[in-house]
Amino acid sequence: DIQMTQSPSSLSASVGDRVTITCRASQSISSYLNWYQQKPGKAPKLLIYAASSLQSGVPSRFSGSGSGTDFTLTISSLQPEDFATYYCQQTYSTLLGYTFGQGTKLEIK
Amino acid sequence: EVQLVESGGGLVQPGGSLRLSCAASGFTFSSYWMSWVRQAPGKGLEWVANIKQDGSEKFYVDSVKGRFTISRDNAKNSLYLQMNSLRAEDTAVYYCAREDPPHYDILTGYYSAYWGQGTLVTVSS
Repeated sequence: DIQMTQSPSSLSASVGDRVTITCRASQSISSYLNWYQQKPGKAPKLLIYAASSLQSGVPSRFSGSGSGTDFTLTISSLQPEDFATYYCQQTYSTLLGYTFGQGTKLEIK
Repeated sequence: EVQLVESGGGLVQPGGSLRLSCAASGFTFSSYWMSWVRQAPGKGLEWVANIKQDGSEKFYVDSVKGRFTISRDNAKNSLYLQMNSLRAEDTAVYYCAREDPPHYDILTGYYSAYWGQGTLVTVSS
């Protein structure tokens, strides 16, 4: 199995802040890394796919980078609607399973 | 409009069985891999299983192998998850999700832009 480790697990920030969330894979996954946002009681929403491609309709303040084992999600200027939980997911090999990171809860400071 | 609607969740005793369904509409269901993802109360997301377009390939997370079976009926635009020998740790909201793109792209891999609203499975005596 491929393990995905996100950091931090939780984060307090203010509107307008620049925020970075990190995701590390236990082995190289090339660029097969997706980022999702989830709000309480709702299904996950795709933000970034293939490490750095912005999903249609997602604001440009969201960006992703990385390849191999280390990846980041950056929100350039936090908006009130961005306070949520964020998950990374690797889709390197379905045989090994498409594992998610444990999540990062972004809270208002 | 793409829609995925799960059903079949509920309360079941440990050791019992349940069959979840996911009704798809708004796209050519038979062209896509499909997945089940679950989320235990207050916990993170866990990928459970997926199935190829024609049902010929299926993959599972280790914790459900031998107990859960994913299947699909392309004529009915439906995805299923048969869950047997249920345990308390299977308690979760179960989401179905479409895997994009329809044809594998080596540059992007798969990702899920469309999800259902989820159905809650509670395993308890």
